[in-house]
Amino acid sequence: GAVVSQHPSWVICKSGTSVKIECRSLDFQATTMFWYRQFPKQSLMLMATSNEGSKATYEQGVEKDKFLINHASLTLSTLTVTSAHPEDSSFYICSARTPPRAGVDIQYFGAGTRLSVL
Amino acid sequence: SQKIEQNSEALNIQEGKTATLTCNYTNYSPAYLQWYRQDPGRGPVFLLLIRENEKEKRKERLKVTFDTTLKQSLFHITASQPADSATYLCALGNAGNNRKLIWGLGTSLAVNP
Repeated sequence: GAVVSQHPSWVICKSGTSVKIECRSLDFQATTMFWYRQFPKQSLMLMATSNEGSKATYEQGVEKDKFLINHASLTLSTLTVTSAHPEDSSFYICSARTPPRAGVDIQYFGAGTRLSVL
Repeated sequence: SQKIEQNSEALNIQEGKTATLTCNYTNYSPAYLQWYRQDPGRGPVFLLLIRENEKEKRKERLKVTFDTTLKQSLFHITASQPADSATYLCALGNAGNNRKLIWGLGTSLAVNP
């Protein structure tokens, strides 16, 4: 199956610093990747859709200047949480979408990144 | 607005029994429905996909049904094992909507030895 690598898996940072999270599709090319945020016992909350070579599309209520997304290649998307604050502490998960077949595509997920902002 | 409901209560079953999880949706006409498994502190793992024109899909001990009239999908795990304990998420997809998936809250399953 398709493999998506997400790094780091866990990061602690001081308030005011920036944190970069990487998401790589290892064995397929992903023109589209998604970034999610998940709170304990909650469902996945889509933050933004990352398209290779173009600007990300952010969901309503997500600050694009706060959560910078770069999708510079077909296998790599990065999420940078700028000037992180304790309220940004959460579990961030990326997914990469396989090329659609017959109108259906499947998202393969990274293992997630646990961000704790002190 | 679009809404997905999964079993709100955690499901506890005995090893060897069949687990049945429910996914109901409203105000949406999905072209397909997917089931994922998520373990604590990990990203979801894709399990099965079923299209709107399919009634049933099987994969090893897993079976999914899809009733577009009832707007419901059932996810069955037969001969359940403690290793099946996890949270199971259903997600709806469509060719439109920029092909974003709409996610349910998930159902926690515990299989007791």
